[in-house]
Amino acid sequence: GQSLEQPSEVTAVEGAIVQINCTYQTSGFYGLSWYQQHDGGAPTFLSYNALDGLEETGRFSSFLSRSDSYGYLLLQELQMKDSASYFCALSAGGGNKLTFGTGTQLKVEL
Amino acid sequence: KAGVTQTPRYLIKTRGQQVTLSCSPISGHRSVSWYQQTPGQGLQFLFEYFSETQRNKGNFPGRFSGRQFSNSRSEMNVSTLELGDSALYLCASSFQGNNEQFFGPGTRLTVL
Repeated sequence: GQSLEQPSEVTAVEGAIVQINCTYQTSGFYGLSWYQQHDGGAPTFLSYNALDGLEETGRFSSFLSRSDSYGYLLLQELQMKDSASYFCALSAGGGNKLTFGTGTQLKVEL
Repeated sequence: KAGVTQTPRYLIKTRGQQVTLSCSPISGHRSVSWYQQTPGQGLQFLFEYFSETQRNKGNFPGRFSGRQFSNSRSEMNVSTLELGDSALYLCASSFQGNNEQFFGPGTRLTVL
């Protein structure tokens, strides 16, 4: 099976940079995704890493190290609207099955 | 392009009843996945359908079932409801070969 661990909560101030870590255990690996979910909303896709290294999409970047079974999401120039839950999710087999981490609640303060 | 739609948005049932939830994927998306989200267990994969065939299945009892129609619309059914089935049920669709999944707003099921 697969398991993913994330910090349960992270707090940062507006304008700052925050990193949300994700460590995983799996017997197979296709890729690591990140999703954002606001309270009462649906998860929305942020990024996907299949290979080691950094993927950048605007203010958000995601990093993967397959040898360390580790990834992180980096959020820059934090805004109040970034307050949400962030999930890492593992693709480890054929098809579109995602195994989600426990989620990290990000609180952005003034 | 319209997003993923789910009906109904809210549902209240009693223990022992059964329920059917519906999901209409984004036009052109042939893969539909279902997830259960609860405060205690988080987001858990139920099953995935692609071209009317179940392609993946999570670790849920047989009371949870699904199907997909030729127009890619999908339904999931839960029989003999239990209190622990109270959750947000999310449907997600994706285009073949694309790693991004698009989630619907969910159906909030409450079992009394």
